[in-house]
Amino acid sequence: NAGVTQTPKFQVLKTGQSMTLQCAQDMNHNSMYWYRQDPGMGLRLIYYSASEGTTDKGEVPNGYNVSRLNKREFSLRLESAAPSQTSVYFCASSEARGYRAFFGQGTRLTVV
Amino acid sequence: DAKTTQPNSMESNEEEPVHLPCNHSTISGTDYIHWYRQLPSQGPEYVIHGLTSNVNNRMASLAIAEDRKSSTLILHRATLRDAAVYYCILRGGSNYKLTFGKGTLLTVNP
Repeated sequence: NAGVTQTPKFQVLKTGQSMTLQCAQDMNHNSMYWYRQDPGMGLRLIYYSASEGTTDKGEVPNGYNVSRLNKREFSLRLESAAPSQTSVYFCASSEARGYRAFFGQGTRLTVV
Repeated sequence: DAKTTQPNSMESNEEEPVHLPCNHSTISGTDYIHWYRQLPSQGPEYVIHGLTSNVNNRMASLAIAEDRKSSTLILHRATLRDAAVYYCILRGGSNYKLTFGKGTLLTVNP
């Protein structure tokens, strides 16, 4: 039972570098989400995709782009990483608003 | 978005019941009440959710006020492994967002 799989688990980037965080779910869920969590803070929604082919901004979208590649995959891209983007990133998926959400184990990103 | 209000922290003793409150006075008729928890260094995990009626599962019970403006997550016998941040979240209507507040940090004493 894979659930929600995030890759990589850890990453160190230099300021200005770009990278894509990958997220895949095997539960045939319609909705997917990307969050960031800074030390000692709660989760903040970056982007979400209510269904395949749609994406919407969350609370903190600046500096990020997303792609809903297909129903299974939702990627998060940092075009030019900044130290302020050092955080733990979580991906989640859900069938619909009345159903539970499943979370990945997170990607710990450090930008130096 | 309808907002929720939770105490910043609560403390409990092992093997005692814990009642975690959540206020959501602006809840709409189509909002589901969800509870998640986040253990240290882990991603959030689902605990329970409901719409109008009280709900029970193997992890907890959810008591929803008759006017739906508040709810209470009940852990029947707290264990050390229940120490976590507990989040109360509303999801509903045409809004597919899943946004987290600051939650309640539950400390369980041995």
